[in-house]
Amino acid sequence: DIQMTQSPSSLSASEGDRVTITCRASQSISTYLNWYQQKPGKAPKLLIYGASSLQSGVPSRFSGSGSGTDFTLTISSLQPEDFATYHCQQTYSTPWTFGQGTKVEIK
Amino acid sequence: QVQLQESGPGLVKPSETLSLTCTVSGGSISSYYWSWIRQPPGKGLEWIGYIYNSGITNYNPSLRSRVTISVDTSKNQFSLKLSSVTAADTAVYHCARDRGPSFGYNFDHWGRGTLVTVSS
Repeated sequence: DIQMTQSPSSLSASEGDRVTITCRASQSISTYLNWYQQKPGKAPKLLIYGASSLQSGVPSRFSGSGSGTDFTLTISSLQPEDFATYHCQQTYSTPWTFGQGTKVEIK
Repeated sequence: QVQLQESGPGLVKPSETLSLTCTVSGGSISSYYWSWIRQPPGKGLEWIGYIYNSGITNYNPSLRSRVTISVDTSKNQFSLKLSSVTAADTAVYHCARDRGPSFGYNFDHWGRGTLVTVSS
């Protein structure tokens, strides 16, 4: 199985901050990397697919980059509604696997 | 707007079979890939498996011996059965739509999830 490692596991930030979350794969996954946002008690929401493609309806302050083994999710200016947990997922080979999640909290 | 809703017992006894159904509304189940994903309390997401083309399945090897995913196109539903459950199977179970290879596989619609507790 391909292992996905996110860092940090949690972070504290203020509204308006630029936030960067990293995801590393245990082997090359090209750009088969997705990012999801999950709020407590809610279903995850697809933000970014194919490492850098913005899902329809997702604000442009979210962006993704990377290829191979190292990937980044960036929130350019953190908004109150962005406080949530973020998950990366590889779909290069089954079983699809997720990172352990990064919780973004209010500073 | 596509919506997914999980249903099934919230409590299952150890060694028994967990059975959940996902009802899809606002779109046909006859295309796309349909997955089950679970999240144990305080832990990350785990993909269980998918079904597509009305019967082709792919399961996580860690669960393959215990998992069956099936589809009922007449009801626009797909189902999960997980046998011989233990406390380690306690989790929130989500169903989700996978857009398949044209989009590099990703889940664009999810059910809200249902908590299944394994306990006697």
